[in-house]
Amino acid sequence: NAGVTQTPKFQVLKTGQSMTLQCAQDMNHEYMSWYRQDPGMGLRLIHYSVGAGITDQGEVPNGYNVSRSTTEDFPLRLLSAAPSQTSVYFCASRRARTEAYNEQFFGPGTRLTVL
Amino acid sequence: AQSVTQLDSQVPVFEEAPVELRCNYSSSVSVYLFWYVQYPNQGLQLLLKYLSGSTLVKGINGFEAEFNKSQTSFHLRKPSVHISDTAEYFCAVSEYGGSNYKLTFGKGTLLTVNP
Repeated sequence: NAGVTQTPKFQVLKTGQSMTLQCAQDMNHEYMSWYRQDPGMGLRLIHYSVGAGITDQGEVPNGYNVSRSTTEDFPLRLLSAAPSQTSVYFCASRRARTEAYNEQFFGPGTRLTVL
Repeated sequence: AQSVTQLDSQVPVFEEAPVELRCNYSSSVSVYLFWYVQYPNQGLQLLLKYLSGSTLVKGINGFEAEFNKSQTSFHLRKPSVHISDTAEYFCAVSEYGGSNYKLTFGKGTLLTVNP
């Protein structure tokens, strides 16, 4: 199993550009989520999905869109990048929505810089 | 809503010394508690978790944590640290029994082990 994979590893954008961060998992997990990590802020939840076709907002959703057309993939879209979106982005998955006791598996992260 | 406070943002220690990383949580319902570790330039991985039962939980790499319900704490300990334990450690909480299945992270504690 590859687990949770993310592409790209690094990205530099100019203000106003759009891009999609890719996330895929091969564990048939129902629950997937996106976090951003900023120094001194820990991990903050951006969006999450409890299954194909079902997504919801987390703590810091503004400026980001998500969709979940398959169980495996959960891309994160930045519509018009801003310097405040400079961060490290992590995708994570867990077997089921209701299994809050279960481990979340994290991808290696995407380091995004917006100039 | 649940929240997590990690009381120290940085903890420097010498190799072979004991260490304690402190975590307090707040929730109106019962919780599951986790410690995740992030090695430099990597994603997060689970160190240990408390679900129920014995309040002393053992994890990987010689770490353990103690759940204290009256103090609402879940402190992480290791009796003798190694250089390789240098990493950022995150305490996280997830509620059960309700409709909130999200994982909430603390802001992290950077453990630096010096020779």
